Amino acid sequence: SQTIHQWPATLVQPVGSPLSLECTVEGTSNPNLYWYRQAAGRGLQLLFYSVGIGQISSEVPQNLSASRPQDRQFILSSKKLLLSDSGFYLCAWRIRGEDTQYFGPGTRLTVL
Amino acid sequence: QKEVEQNSGPLSVPEGAIASLNCTYSDRGSQSFFWYRQYSGKSPELIMSIYSNGDKEDGRFTAQLNKASQYVSLLIRDSQPSDSATYLCAVNLPEPSGGSYIPTFGRGTSLIVHP
Repeated sequence: SQTIHQWPATLVQPVGSPLSLECTVEGTSNPNLYWYRQAAGRGLQLLFYSVGIGQISSEVPQNLSASRPQDRQFILSSKKLLLSDSGFYLCAWRIRGEDTQYFGPGTRLTVL
Repeated sequence: QKEVEQNSGPLSVPEGAIASLNCTYSDRGSQSFFWYRQYSGKSPELIMSIYSNGDKEDGRFTAQLNKASQYVSLLIRDSQPSDSATYLCAVNLPEPSGGSYIPTFGRGTSLIVHP
């Protein structure tokens, strides 16, 4: 069966510091991968998605970036965090050719 | 702007009642529809998917889809306090460049089931 891992689970970072969140999927090959952000009291905002290694599509231009260095690894980064980057970051995956999307446990980021 | 709309609630129902959650979407090209449940502080978990017009039942949950009217709903029968959560409607919208789908979520409806 497939599983998805995200780390860290929680993170508190000062404004202006860098960020690296990692997501890995097990039990499947060549999945579609997604990064979402959910700000307090708000809906899920799609940030990036990837259909393959090195292929990244950005939905919202901002100070975040994503990379997919390996088939089942998806990384979300920032060089300098802003207060507005605080939120619940969710990695999700979908089997190629199927419709259903599944979420990882998430990382709660607080920028102070 | 392709959108998925939900009433944010909260929707409050007594234990044992039927909870009805609604969602509308703007893109007629949408083919796949999903309901997720999200407990406070947790990630969304899939409850049901529906692809064809009509009803789809799974235990206490029934999803209803009407593509002509562009709405999808979720009914929860015999509601329990443990059903209290935020329910997210999701629609797979065609990617502009074609060949794939972009999952788009509504903001969610908060459901409170009181004893």
